[in-house]
Amino acid sequence: AQSVTQLGSHVSVSEGALVLLRCNYSSSVPPYLFWYVQYPNQGLQLLLKYTTGATLVKGINGFEAEFKKSETSFHLTKPSAHMSDAAEYFCAVSEAGTASKLTFGTGTRLQVTL
Amino acid sequence: GAVVSQHPSWVICKSGTSVKIECRSLDFQATTMFWYRQFPKQSLMLMATSNEGSKATYEQGVEKDKFLINHASLTLSTLTVTSAHPEDSSFYICSADFEGRGTEAFFGQGTRLTVV
Repeated sequence: AQSVTQLGSHVSVSEGALVLLRCNYSSSVPPYLFWYVQYPNQGLQLLLKYTTGATLVKGINGFEAEFKKSETSFHLTKPSAHMSDAAEYFCAVSEAGTASKLTFGTGTRLQVTL
Repeated sequence: GAVVSQHPSWVICKSGTSVKIECRSLDFQATTMFWYRQFPKQSLMLMATSNEGSKATYEQGVEKDKFLINHASLTLSTLTVTSAHPEDSSFYICSADFEGRGTEAFFGQGTRLTVV
């Protein structure tokens, strides 16, 4: 069984500030890890994913995440927030070997203020 | 990137009626599609895995007779909510496995279902 915990249902940052969204996972097998972004009443867009190889993963829109096996974490960061980053962010896990059947965290709403 | 089209984007129906939602992979074949449900301000919960040419696999607690899934071709899966009730009102999202590779899932735009 797999699970994902996202700490903080709401995160508020100022424009230009560092964005840090936390994600911890539990998996009995090597995981694939993902971050998705969702805008209101829309589907999900993949920001980045970790499958194998380099543990620091760079994604779209300046986001990156680091897979830390010892901490079972996959936190999402962005050096400088933009107003357009305001959205709901979901961390997800799947079993290694398939990146399509996903278990999602509860989501974190990112608010960006002036 | 690969495109998944979900239709309709929103629908309002009367209690007791059935509603069909379509999920199409436009530029790739999807032997496997997934259906998720998202309640307001909550996460996505996997309802079922749809396999082309075979019966869907439902997650625990999901009524298969209420949520009928048909995956008749490599590019189309449908979810029919039968005898809908207000508690079925939700956001339904499908995703498609890219050509069966298991490397990435592509999501549709979602369908907002409101049962009145």
